[in-house]
Amino acid sequence: DAKTTQPPSMDCAEGRAANLPCNHSTISGNEYVYWYRQIHSQGPQYIIHGLKNNETNEMASLIITEDRKSSTLILPHATLRDTAVYYCIVRVGPQEAGNTPLVFGKGTRLSVIA
Amino acid sequence: DGGITQSPKYLFRKEGQNVTLSCEQNLNHDAMYWYRQDPGQGLRLIYYSQIVNDFQKGDIAEGYSVSREKKESFPLTVTSAQKNPTAFYLCASSIAAGYSNQPQHFGDGTRLSIL
Repeated sequence: DAKTTQPPSMDCAEGRAANLPCNHSTISGNEYVYWYRQIHSQGPQYIIHGLKNNETNEMASLIITEDRKSSTLILPHATLRDTAVYYCIVRVGPQEAGNTPLVFGKGTRLSVIA
Repeated sequence: DGGITQSPKYLFRKEGQNVTLSCEQNLNHDAMYWYRQDPGQGLRLIYYSQIVNDFQKGDIAEGYSVSREKKESFPLTVTSAQKNPTAFYLCASSIAAGYSNQPQHFGDGTRLSIL
């Protein structure tokens, strides 16, 4: 079973920041938070991951609370092309993961509205 | 460009027939995976293979079979024993631990429908 809880759906106005929450209250000390997104009828696309520090890349920012029990993915200026299902996944990090599968929950369906 | 190729994009099958979905990767990745996705649901793991000539069952392996004779190929056969095969099938691959921050790369899927 997925170790994360996400709202089933969210709306965001085009050009505004989209803030997608994720609860992972049972996260272990060596587990990372990964985010993927899936645009309709395509394969999931990696976005970002983090352990305890906030992370930023060209796609998004990841804010992890100090107790690591929750996190927020931020798309700073959402566009219509960001409409997708966003998955928050908890798993051990790249140094020790080996080739073990990801476990997906149902994710959050983000709709960006013009 | 390197990536994962799934073919065909759409596939139709008559009841009682076996059908094989293709997945090829040129990323030189060690591991490959098959997931199934039903409408409005997340991905569920069918089978995965960490090295050539070896594979493990996932959560929903019944009615499916795989082979891993080559590093770059991991075909999935949906057998007649799979009672509800209509779904979106996704293939993924990953490199060994420590070599990449991205756990898995995905193909664009094959949508299988029963006639």
